[in-house]
Formats: sequence, C-alpha cells, structure tokens
Amino acid sequence: EIVLTQSPGTVSLSPGESATLSCRASQHVASSFLAWYQQKSGQPPRLILFGASNRATGIPDRFSGWGSGTDFTLTISRLEPEDFAVYYCQQYDTSSGVTFGPGTKVDMK
Amino acid sequence: QVQLVQSGAEVKKPGASVKLSCKASGYSFTTYYIHWVRQAPGQGLEWMGIINPSDGYTTFPQKFQGRVTMTRDTSTSTVYMELTSVRSDDTAVYFCAREFDPGSMQGAGYWGQGTLVTVSS
Repeated sequence: EIVLTQSPGTVSLSPGESATLSCRASQHVASSFLAWYQQKSGQPPRLILFGASNRATGIPDRFSGWGSGTDFTLTISRLEPEDFAVYYCQQYDTSSGVTFGPGTKVDMK
Repeated sequence: QVQLVQSGAEVKKPGASVKLSCKASGYSFTTYYIHWVRQAPGQGLEWMGIINPSDGYTTFPQKFQGRVTMTRDTSTSTVYMELTSVRSDDTAVYFCAREFDPGSMQGAGYWGQGTLVTVSS
C-alpha cells in the first residue's frame, strides 16, 4: 500500500498570507493520480486539484499544485477566510487502490 | 445537477450489519465509478472501495475484504454498501463519492452528504 504523509500537521496563518502544504508518498505516484481535497467541518470533502496540478471546476486560481514521483505540493496564495480548512492529498495506484494522507489543517492565526 | 443522496443515520450493536444507500441523479448512472469513504470522529478519510455501476465490478482494500459488499441497482440509480460484523471502531460518517471523470480514477468530484453510523452496545 502506498502511504501518504502530509506536513505540516497544522499551519496557522492570516488571511492574505500563502500556505504551502506538502504530500509525500512512500512509493512513486503517477502525477495523473494525485488529487487534493478541501474539507470544512461538517461537510464532505471538495475536490480541489486532480492530476497533481489541475484545478477542479470552480476552484480559484489562488490554488495551485505541483510535484512528481513521491513529492507533491499544494500552494494557496493570498488566503481567503473560506480557505481555512483541512486539506487531504489522495493517490490511486492499480495494485493498492486509493489512499489518503492524514490531512493538513490550515488554521486562522 | 449531479446529486448523491445518502440514507439516514444508523445505530447498530456490535456484530450487526449495516447497509447504506446512495441514490444518484443528474447524470448517466452507469458512466461513473462510485467510491465509499469513511471518516471516524475527528479523524481523516479512509477509502473503503469502489464500484463500477455499469457492471457491478468492485474493488476493496485488503482491510475491508470479506466485510464489505457493494452493489448497485441500475433501475433506481442507487448504490449500496453493506458492512458486516460492525464494531465500535466502525463508528464513522460514511460518504459515497463519484469520480469526476469517467473511468479516470483522478478524483471524486461529487460527494454525498454522508451517513453517520454509530456502533454501540
């Protein structure tokens, strides 16, 4: 099974600042199969990025992603109040299926 | 618009089974895979498996093999997930979620509202 590790666990920032979230995989992940989700309390997750760097429908361009192999990054520039949430990375691999990272909480300072 | 509407909350005793439903609307039901994902209180997301509504083919992680069954009813555009021999650590919110792109496995773009399953004696 491919294990995803996310860091930091929690980051405290102010609106207008930028957030850089890391997702590291225990084995190579094809970029096509790396996604990021945003989840707010009491809500289902929301797809933010797919294919490591492609924004899902309706996602503003302050969300960007990049990476390959075992290291992937989600950057949120100019944090808006609605961006404070938990972010999960997710990968798919044909042999082990889907796994999620443990999440990074973006907290308002 | 795409909607996934899940069945209501359940309370089960340890050892019982629970069967949840997820009714899809607003798109061609057989075109998109559907995942089941659960989230224990205060915890992260855990993938439970996937079903292809077109042919009913399912895939589960090893952890759930033998305890999870996923089925679908194409006449009502509904998928079902049954978890057997439940225990206290199965207490969680269970989500169904649809791939955003047919067959791509690139991400779940649509989610149900979630169903809380509480296991308690």
